[in-house]
This record gives sequence, structure tokens and C-alpha cells, in this order.
Amino acid sequence: SQTIHQWPATLVQPVGSPLSLECTVEGTSNPNLYWYRQAAGRGLQLLFYSVGIGQISSEVPQNLSASRPQDRQFILSSKKLLLSDSGFYLCAWSVGPGELFFGEGSRLTVL
Amino acid sequence: GENVEQHPSTLSVQEGDSAVIKCTYSDSASNYFPWYKQELGKGPQLIIDIRSNVGEKKDQRIAVTLNKTAKHFSLHITETQPEDSAVYFCAASISFREKLTFGTGTRLTIIP
Repeated sequence: SQTIHQWPATLVQPVGSPLSLECTVEGTSNPNLYWYRQAAGRGLQLLFYSVGIGQISSEVPQNLSASRPQDRQFILSSKKLLLSDSGFYLCAWSVGPGELFFGEGSRLTVL
Repeated sequence: GENVEQHPSTLSVQEGDSAVIKCTYSDSASNYFPWYKQELGKGPQLIIDIRSNVGEKKDQRIAVTLNKTAKHFSLHITETQPEDSAVYFCAASISFREKLTFGTGTRLTIIP
């Protein structure tokens, strides 16, 4: 069966520090991968999606970047965090159109 | 691009009563409409979905209706139970684009 792992689950970082959130999927190959951010009252905002290794599409210009170094690995990064980067980050995968499978999320607090 | 609006943002119902959450979408080409449930501290999970070739779909206590002419769809939960308390998200997509646009969520609280 397919599983998705996302870490760390929580982190507190100072403004200006770097960020790396990692997501891996097991049990499937060539999935579509996504990073979403969930802010209070704003629902789920798609940040990046990837249909293959090295193929990244950005939905919203911002202080973040994403990379897909391996087929089932998706990384969300920042060189210098801003206060506004605080939120709940969700990784998800899908195979073709249809159901998205979400990870457990990473709660980021920037102080 | 697609815009999905969801109402209400919060909803409290007595246990055993029904709950209804409504969404509207803007892109008439959208043809896939899923609903996700997010429990506290977890990622959202798909609970039911509907495609544009049907008007209603039921799964036990949960049903979804779709009105393509009016571009709106709704989630109906009957005989609500405490475990139905969660945040619910609607979404829409044009399937070949494979990207979902989500509503802003509804926090449903079931009052025992």
C-alpha cells in the first residue's frame, strides 16, 4: 500500500533562518507531488506541484522554493524565513487526476 | 483560473441533526468535485467525490449533490455524530489539469 511521510511535524525557526521540509512517498512510482500551505481562514493554498523529477511548477510567487531530487521525494525550502511563512504545510501525492493523498503536515512557527 | 467559495465557515449542529455545506465554483469546465475531511492535527482525507456526469452521490450518511447549471455543489451529512466534528473542504478541478482548487473550509462542530 502507498504511504506518505512528511517531516518534521513541528518546528520553530527564527526570522532569517533557512527551512527544509521533506516529503517522501512509498508504494507508488512517478506520482504527482504537491506542497500546500494552510493558513487560518484561507483554506488550502497550492504552493508547488511536480509531475516528475526536476519538474517544478510554482503557483504563488513567494519566499519559498521546491525541489524533487528523486521520483518520490519532494522538498520545500527557504533561504531566509519571514514571519509570514508561518503556517501548516502539507505534502500530497496523486496518480493522475482524482484523489489527493495528504501527509500529516508540518507546523512551522517563525518568530 | 478557478475560484471556489465555501459557506458557512463555521457550523454547529446538534448530534443527530443534519449538516449542509455549500460550495460554488467559477469555471464551467470543471468536472470533478471532491470533499475532504480534516481532523485536528492531521492532513485532509477524501470522503466523497462527484463527477459532472451525475447529480447526486451517496455513501452511508454522506451525500453530495451537484448543480452544473448553477455551478454549485453541496455536502450533506445526516444523523451527525461527534466523530463528524472536523474541518471540511470542497474542491473543484478540470481533470486533465490534475490540480484541485480548494474552498476555504468549514469547521463543523457536533454538539452532544
